[in-house]
Amino acid sequence: DADVTQTPRNRITKTGKRIMLECSQTKGHDRMYWYRQDPGLGLRLIYYSFDVKDINKGEISDGYSVSRQAQAKFSLSLESAIPNQTALYFCATSDYLAGGPGTGELFFGEGSRLTVL
Amino acid sequence: GENVEQHPSTLSVQEGDSAVIKCTYSDSASNYFPWYKQELGKRPQLIIDIRSNVGEKKDQRIAVTLNKTAKHFSLHITETQPEDSAVYFCASRGRATGANNLFFGTGTRLTVIP
Repeated sequence: DADVTQTPRNRITKTGKRIMLECSQTKGHDRMYWYRQDPGLGLRLIYYSFDVKDINKGEISDGYSVSRQAQAKFSLSLESAIPNQTALYFCATSDYLAGGPGTGELFFGEGSRLTVL
Repeated sequence: GENVEQHPSTLSVQEGDSAVIKCTYSDSASNYFPWYKQELGKRPQLIIDIRSNVGEKKDQRIAVTLNKTAKHFSLHITETQPEDSAVYFCASRGRATGANNLFFGTGTRLTVIP
């Protein structure tokens, strides 16, 4: 089955460490996203990319960076992790095209739970 | 960007009763309103959606209604079952940024009591 895969699924790290979360997809979608989920705050968009050469900041991009290495790969980095970046991170893809037939349904990965001590 | 508010944050119902979750949005140009269900420890998945040219859409026990004038939409679950227990997120496709991204509400934790 075409899917969205995230690694690692769980990570515990210390303040100040550099962390990379990786996402790969076999859905063939151009659009990829990184969301952060915190209890009571829902899903907030960190960064999104519409193709390999396109990177855009979302609602809460401070402290994060991303890299779109290929159509199928989109990684999220925390250059110097801090405790308030402890959260569940989701990668997602969609095939939305303005004016096109698709609705832009988001297909999420299984999530990466990050704990910063 | 778009601002989506969702209520209530928690909801408990007896099995067989109905559940209603409500959302409001701020961007009058928003045209697509999906609902995602996230079971415990799982990823969010789309369960139903509605476009702005439709007032209501139904799929078996779930339905979504949209009031564009008031800028609010609701999820209705009838004859609830224990497997409906999950966190539900509404979302709105906002055009304010020009990117047509989805903005999510803060979620409703639904518990269906057997």
